[in-house]
Parts: sequence; structure tokens; C-alpha cells
Amino acid sequence: NAGVMQNPRHLVRRRGQEARLRCSPMKGHSHVYWYRQLPEEGLKFMVYLQKENIIDESGMPKERFSAEFPKEGPSILRIQQVVRGDSAAYFCASSLGQDQPQHFGDGTRLSIL
Amino acid sequence: GDSVTQMEGPVTLSEEAFLTINCTYTATGYPSLFWYVQYPGEGLQLLLKATKADDKGSNKGFEATYRKETTSFHLEKGSVQVSDSAVYFCALVNTGFQKLVFGTGTRLLVSP
Repeated sequence: NAGVMQNPRHLVRRRGQEARLRCSPMKGHSHVYWYRQLPEEGLKFMVYLQKENIIDESGMPKERFSAEFPKEGPSILRIQQVVRGDSAAYFCASSLGQDQPQHFGDGTRLSIL
Repeated sequence: GDSVTQMEGPVTLSEEAFLTINCTYTATGYPSLFWYVQYPGEGLQLLLKATKADDKGSNKGFEATYRKETTSFHLEKGSVQVSDSAVYFCALVNTGFQKLVFGTGTRLLVSP
């Protein structure tokens, strides 16, 4: 299966800990997007990255959240000092190019105790 | 800013009934429009898309027509199946931007 791979599928953290979410795009895709889905809501854009560059981070909270997409390896969404309100499903999508359809992974469901 | 409005759910139908899920949008320029489907515990799958006015997207018996005059992209299916039970999201992406803007989703429940 050459789809978008996210791991872990489920992540439990205590308040104040760090959460790291990983996303491997589809083969050949160099554009990665992160979205957050709060319970019973639609997905909200967080950040758009190409290899080694953040293109658009207009949806990222100003503090505690960061994202990277290194030259080698998966894209990482990092949440420091997690709080209860960070509990959500985080989805990664990838595309071949700027105007190409985005393909989604199965998401990481983050629960904060 | 750009936005998408969907009818609230859940939509409850019997098998073989006709389905309509309404979607309207607000956007500057000429967005591309999409319907995504999310099955329980899974990510979103692209169901269909339309990139310009009067385009009709279709897939697996579902279809939607890009209506610029009414800024709508309603999803329809002539005969639903139990396996169509899922959450359906209408979305747009505007020219020159890469972020998808989603509606809040409509849950469809189909009973035998």
C-alpha cells in the first residue's frame, strides 16, 4: 500500500508532555499538509510544507506547535506541553504538486489525560 | 475568508432511497470543489471533484455539479446502500492557495 502513512494511530499523553506525530507521504509526493479535526467538527488546515520548507503555517497555533518536513524521513508535527484542548484527530495529506488532489492518511488520534 | 456550509446531519435513509446533501460555498476567485468521505476510524477519501463552473464530478454512483450562479455543489446519489453510511465533507481549494477549506461534515446513516 503506497498511501499516506501516519503513526502512531493512537497517542495518549499526560498534560505537559510532548506529542510527536509522523507522516510519510505517498511515494513521489513532495507536498505535505496537516489538518486537525476536533470532535464533531470538520478539518481545519494547520500547515503546508514542501521538503525542508514551511510554505504556509497560517493555521498553526502560535505557541507549542511546530512542523517540519526534512530532506530525509517523514514529516513531523510536534506539540509541546500538551493541554486537554489538544485532544483531536490530526490528519496528514500529501500531493504531487500545488494544484493536485490531496490524499489523506488515516490520522493520529491524540488523547490528553 | 473562504467558507463552506453543509446541511446538518445526521441524514437517515432507508436502503435504495435518493440522497441529497446540500453544500454551498463562499470564496473569492474560482475555487475547485470536492466531496470527501470518511468511514469510521479512517481518514478522508476523495469521492469526487469539479474544477470549474458547470463541471459534474461523479464516482461510485455519487455526483455533484459545480453551480457558480448559486455557489453550490450538492451531493446526490440515486440509490444509497448500507455501505454508504459515513461522514461526507464538502471542501474547496482556492486558486493559488493549497489549503482545503472544509464544511463541518454530514453524517449519513443508511438502514437495511
